[in-house]
Amino acid sequence: AQTVTQSQPEMSVQEAETVTLSCTYDTSESDYYLFWYKQPPSRQMILVIRQEAYKQQNATENRFSVNFQKAAKSFSLKISDSQLGDAAMYFCAYRRTQGGSEKLVFGKGTKLTVNP
Amino acid sequence: DGGITQSPKYLFRKEGQNVTLSCEQNLNHDAMYWYRQDPGQGLRLIYYSQIVNDFQKGDIAEGYSVSREKKESFPLTVTSAQKNPTAFYLCASSTSTGGGREEQFFGPGTRLTVL
Repeated sequence: AQTVTQSQPEMSVQEAETVTLSCTYDTSESDYYLFWYKQPPSRQMILVIRQEAYKQQNATENRFSVNFQKAAKSFSLKISDSQLGDAAMYFCAYRRTQGGSEKLVFGKGTKLTVNP
Repeated sequence: DGGITQSPKYLFRKEGQNVTLSCEQNLNHDAMYWYRQDPGQGLRLIYYSQIVNDFQKGDIAEGYSVSREKKESFPLTVTSAQKNPTAFYLCASSTSTGGGREEQFFGPGTRLTVL
């Protein structure tokens, strides 16, 4: 079974600085998708970024980018120019491409605090 | 506006009572999901449905039941058999093209407290 591990329960960053959140996963599949979701205090889950495993190029969405290391099964999220509104829980998630289950497997999350 | 509605936002029930959580979407999505979130835990899948009148158990289905009679609706019943039902429940939906790339859109959640 696939598992997703986020080793940092909490992280903090100064406003305007850069922070990296770690995520590792375990799978025997060769093709899959990886996601980062943000859950602010409102508890509304919001997709931040997604990465297709077959793509070598790291995904980027404005201030958010990933460092995808397929061989190491690592999928870290980098937030540049951190803003107060980035404060939230961040969840890494894995999803297999096909073959029945469409479920997302989530890590336990990292709570990010942004200090002014 | 398109989206997912969960009601109520907060729900209190006495121990031993069944309770049904509502989830409605107007995104025309085929697939719908129920997740449970506990403090310090990620989201865990309870049930999911990829098409009307069909659904599958997730990782923690014991003590829960669902129905999918309409494409727009996927209610979750928390039964008295669920040993620890107090949690935050999230409903999600997505298109279901089978590729896995599809984003899951989430509702605002229901906080269930069993007294």
